[in-house]
Amino acid sequence: NAGVTQTPKFRILKIGQSMTLQCTQDMNHNYMYWYRQDPGMGLKLIYYSVGAGITDKGEVPNGYNVSRSTTEDFPLRLELAAPSQTSVYFCASRAGQFPYEQYFGPGTRLTVT
Amino acid sequence: QKEVEQDPGPLSVPEGAIVSLNCTYSNSAFQYFMWYRQYSRKGPELLMYTYSSGNKEDGRFTAQVDKSSKYISLFIRDSQPSDSATYLCAMSGGAQKLVFGQGTRLTINP
Repeated sequence: NAGVTQTPKFRILKIGQSMTLQCTQDMNHNYMYWYRQDPGMGLKLIYYSVGAGITDKGEVPNGYNVSRSTTEDFPLRLELAAPSQTSVYFCASRAGQFPYEQYFGPGTRLTVT
Repeated sequence: QKEVEQDPGPLSVPEGAIVSLNCTYSNSAFQYFMWYRQYSRKGPELLMYTYSSGNKEDGRFTAQVDKSSKYISLFIRDSQPSDSATYLCAMSGGAQKLVFGQGTRLTINP
């Protein structure tokens, strides 16, 4: 099993550009999450999904969009990139039963200049 | 006030020391408590989880939850250089979302 995979690993965007961060999991998990992690900070939830076709906002959703058309994929879209979106983005997934462990991908390092 | 407070450190201790990492929280509905370990430039990995109050031990690691004080701790005994990482506490009141602490950066010096 590959677990949770994310692409790309690194990306530099110019202000105003758009991009999609890809996330795929092969564990048949219903729950998927997108977080951002700024230097020296914890993880802040951007969006999450409890199953295909169902998404909801987290703590910091502004400037981002998501979709969940399949169980495996949960892409994160950045529209009109801003320097404040410079961060490391982590995707995670988990099964439906206790202990609710979230499995994280390796992250995407994004710089907006 | 943040829901979860964690001292970001950095914390630097000699090899073999006992390390204590702590988090406080304000939401009394939290009942699932976790510790994640994150090595540099990697994603977090679950280290330990507990449900409700009490202690849980796993090898050199002990997780402690005191719900009356809204305080959780992670103890590392006989610390090793390979334990050098950022440790994040996380907690949840239900199944859907976790709230993470800021993370404590720990360095174990040989």
